[in-house]
Amino acid sequence: GQNIDQPTEMTATEGAIVQINCTYQTSGFNGLFWYQQHAGEAPTFLSYNVLDGLEEKGRFSSFLSRSKGYSYLLLKELQMKDSASYLCAVLDSNYQLIWGAGTKLIIKP
Amino acid sequence: ETGVTQTPRHLVMGMTNKKSLKCEQHLGHNAMYWYKQSAKKPLELMFVYSLEERVENNSVPSRFSPECPNSSHLFLHLHTLQPEDSALYLCASSQDFQGITEAFFGQGTRLTVV
Repeated sequence: GQNIDQPTEMTATEGAIVQINCTYQTSGFNGLFWYQQHAGEAPTFLSYNVLDGLEEKGRFSSFLSRSKGYSYLLLKELQMKDSASYLCAVLDSNYQLIWGAGTKLIIKP
Repeated sequence: ETGVTQTPRHLVMGMTNKKSLKCEQHLGHNAMYWYKQSAKKPLELMFVYSLEERVENNSVPSRFSPECPNSSHLFLHLHTLQPEDSALYLCASSQDFQGITEAFFGQGTRLTVV
């Protein structure tokens, strides 16, 4: 079967760095997405990786290793507003999005 | 504001009621989606429409009935629901239905079935 694994919950301190991991086993691969979802809000797009390596966008970076079936989202200089759930999703060979259950990130002062 | 608007935001309905969820997008996208989001579970894709034609139906019970009258509007008609159908229902749109481009989500309808 197809599976996306990410930690259920993480806690970090304001100003620090946190890495949220995502491992996947899917039938084929056409890219990996990260979305952010604040409580009671719509998920919003953060990043899309289809080639190996690190993509940086301001305080957020996303890394992909296709051979390892692994990605991470790196958040630097954490702010209280970064408290949210982070969703990992993989586009499989049929161009279907397979979603993880999300990682709830709690930022403490 | 994400460009995708869902109404109502909250809905409580009895198991014998009939109600409809509405979604509207003003982004000029060709694909629209209904997702179900339950606590601590992955997003479940329910239906996909591309250019007003249904292209995906992921074994969703017939008590959920989608309708796409035009490329900007999507409805989810509900009838004879069960308590386990209580969840957040999210609508999304994207430029194409193959999923390569990012999806824009509405804020969802929080549905409670009593």
